[in-house]
Amino acid sequence: AQRVTQPEKLLSVFKGAPVELKCNYSYSGSPELFWYVQYSRQRLQLLLRHISRESIKGFTADLNKGETSFHLKKPFAQEEDSAMYYCALSGPGNTGKLIFGQGTTLQVKP
Amino acid sequence: EPEVTQTPSHQVTQMGQEVILRCVPISNHLYFYWYRQILGQKVEFLVSFYNNEISEKSEIFDDQFSVERPDGSNFTLKIRSTKLEDSAMYFCASARDRYPDTQYFGPGTRLTVL
Repeated sequence: AQRVTQPEKLLSVFKGAPVELKCNYSYSGSPELFWYVQYSRQRLQLLLRHISRESIKGFTADLNKGETSFHLKKPFAQEEDSAMYYCALSGPGNTGKLIFGQGTTLQVKP
Repeated sequence: EPEVTQTPSHQVTQMGQEVILRCVPISNHLYFYWYRQILGQKVEFLVSFYNNEISEKSEIFDDQFSVERPDGSNFTLKIRSTKLEDSAMYFCASARDRYPDTQYFGPGTRLTVL
């Protein structure tokens, strides 16, 4: 079964602290993994994707096929990082549909 | 920068009524999607659309749902006879290509069924 799991509904950290948002997936094959972010009152937007291997706004994510994980990390959280973060996958065997996790609310306190 | 737009932003309807949710995808995109998010739950795939036909649909997308691209710019989702459980946020997305291209999302339409 194709599934994405984000175990934490809420992650609360202080400004400057490291952040790790967890994502595990289940997929038979080689999926593409994404992190989407939704800031307050804004649309879902792509934060980063594993295939591009880039860092966006200081965030990085490494695909670990052995652990089937794609955790999102940032060494020093900023208040403007407060948002809802969704991990999602898409597989070559489908039409491009995204399968989302439940989402994690990141709250960065001053 | 081009964006996906959706109208209306909020739709309130009575149970059993038909609703049409509208989306204008980014102009050079060829793949179109509808997702929904019931309050407090995850974003769920409904349907994908390419070359004027449905390419994939989920179990949620039953006979009450239909999609159309009536004029080359709009992409609509119709719910024929709404139920209370159809109350959700509906997101349209578009992509230039299929997997693994980036999907761009609209702001969503909040549908409330009374």
